Amino acid sequence: EIVLTQSPGTLSLSPGERATLSCRASQSVSSSYLAWYQQKPGQAPRLLIYGASSRATGIPDRFSGSGSGTDFTLTISRLEPEDFAVYYCQQYGSSMYTFGQGTKLEIK
Amino acid sequence: EVQLVESGGGLVQPGGSLRLSCAASGFTFSSYWMSWVRQAPGKGLEWVANIKQDGSEKYYVDSVKGRFTISRDNAKNSLYLQMNSLRAEDTAVYYCARDYDSSGYYYLGYWGQGTLVTVSS
Repeated sequence: EIVLTQSPGTLSLSPGERATLSCRASQSVSSSYLAWYQQKPGQAPRLLIYGASSRATGIPDRFSGSGSGTDFTLTISRLEPEDFAVYYCQQYGSSMYTFGQGTKLEIK
Repeated sequence: EVQLVESGGGLVQPGGSLRLSCAASGFTFSSYWMSWVRQAPGKGLEWVANIKQDGSEKYYVDSVKGRFTISRDNAKNSLYLQMNSLRAEDTAVYYCARDYDSSGYYYLGYWGQGTLVTVSS
């Protein structure tokens, strides 16, 4: 089973700043199988990025994904107040999905 | 508009059973794999199971194998999760999610609002 490790666990930033979230896999992951989600308190997760770098429908272009192999990154270029949430990376392999433990992005 | 609406959650005693349902609308249900994902209180996301478009393939996380059964009814645009021999550690919000569509990309594109399952005596 591929394990995804996200860092940092918590990221404290101010609106307008740039956020860089990391997701590292225990073994190589196909880029087609790597996605990112945003979850706000009391809400279901929302797909942000699929295929490591493709934005989902309706996702603002301040969100971008990059990476390959075992190292993937979600970047939020300029934080808006509504971006403060928990972010999860996800991979698919061996007929199952696994998620990282999440990065909480909080207002500094 | 894609909509996924879960129902069937509630309080159940350890060892008991519960059946979750998910009503889908706004897309061609029979064209997608479908998944269940759960989230224990204050914890992260855990994928539970998924099912192929025609129901011919099903996969489960190890912790629920032999206890949970995923199924679907394409005529009713509905997804189900039969949960037996429930344990305290199965306590979670259970989400229904739209899964793979043969595009080559694996992701969970749409999620329901979730239904809470609490296993406690």
